[in-house]
Parts: sequence; C-alpha cells; structure tokens
Amino acid sequence: GENVEQHPSTLSVQEGDSAVIKCTYSDSASNYFPWYKQELGKRPQLIIDIRSNVGEKKDQRIAVTLNKTAKHFSLHITETQPEDSAVYFCAASNPAGNKLTFGGGTRVLVKP
Amino acid sequence: GAGVSQSPSNKVTEKGKDVELRCDPISGHTALYWYRQRLGQGLEFLIYFQGNSAPDKSGLPSDRFSAERTGESVSTLTIQRTQQEDSAVYLCASSQSASHEQYFGPGTRLTVT
Repeated sequence: GENVEQHPSTLSVQEGDSAVIKCTYSDSASNYFPWYKQELGKRPQLIIDIRSNVGEKKDQRIAVTLNKTAKHFSLHITETQPEDSAVYFCAASNPAGNKLTFGGGTRVLVKP
Repeated sequence: GAGVSQSPSNKVTEKGKDVELRCDPISGHTALYWYRQRLGQGLEFLIYFQGNSAPDKSGLPSDRFSAERTGESVSTLTIQRTQQEDSAVYLCASSQSASHEQYFGPGTRLTVT
C-alpha cells in the first residue's frame, strides 16, 4: 500500500520567516495530494491541495509544489504568523480517490 | 450549512465493553470515511463508504471493529471488547464523492480504562 513520510516532525520559526514541510510518497499512481491544518483539540481542515497534473499551486501565503518523478511534494508558508502555529498533515490519495494516506504530521510553532 | 457532526464528543469506557460512535455527514455527501488518530500521531484510515457500494474495510485493525452506514446518511463505528490500545480520537469525514475535499467532524475522544 501507499506510504507517506513527512519531515520535519517539529518546526520552530520566527514570525515573518518561511516554513517548509516536505513529504514523500511511495505509490506512483497516487494523484491527489491535500494538506490539512489541525489546531490543538480541533478537527483537521484542508488548507490547500494539488493534483498530479499540476506542478505548483499557490493561495496567498501558502504554496504547494509537486515533483511526480521524485514522488515528493512540499508545503511552503511565507511570512508566518502566530496563528499559523498548528500541526500540518500531508496526504496522498489512491487513484480511485477513496483512500487518503496521511503523513505523521509536522508541529509548527511560530514565535512572535 | 451544517458540517459533519459526531457523537459523543467524549467516551470513557472500561476495558472489555463495547462502544458505538456516531457520525452524521454533510447532507448530500455520498462518501464517508472513518479515521483513528492516536495521541500525537497522524490519521489512520479505517473504513470508507461510497453510496450503496460495498465499503472498503481494508483499514480496520481487527475484527473487533465494524461500521455500518445506511444509504447516504448516518454511520456508526462499533468497537467490541475494547482494549486500552483502542484509546484515540476517532474522526469521521465526508465528501461529495471520492477524490473531493474531505470535511472532518470534531471527533470522538475514546478512553479505555
């Protein structure tokens, strides 16, 4: 089955700096890659996603890049703010779209 | 509109007892998923329902776990003879169909003592 590895497990950045989280996946057939943000004690919420026919997608301060050849994708957060502090999960979907495999999560702390 | 809801929000049970967790998906969402999230860890896929098709049960960790869904409505996840390692947050999600954004419920925090 699919295996998704996520790094780093924790990330501390100064407010205003950028944060980068990287994920690798094993199944070359995976074609949908969402990123979820989970604040303490709350439900995961989708922040951005990318499909395999696109190499990069941006939404304000958040961007995701996908390298299908290398089977890795990354989340970039620019101009970080304290409210960006949360756990971020990457995921990869099987081609049928019925199963998301999640990475282990990255705990991001933005220091004011 | 109303999001995904789950009940109870918290459940404390004794080892060996059965528990039933409930999920109400967003109206009109044909796909429904259950995940388990142990403390400080990622989400672990358990089971997937799509309309009236046979569910994908490939993520259920043992035969003590089962789930049902009637049509495109409520789903229940049942854990029989609970063990301490079952302690986790159980999250439900729904989507318009497969390959669409999944919307998560608030989860049920299960503690087995």
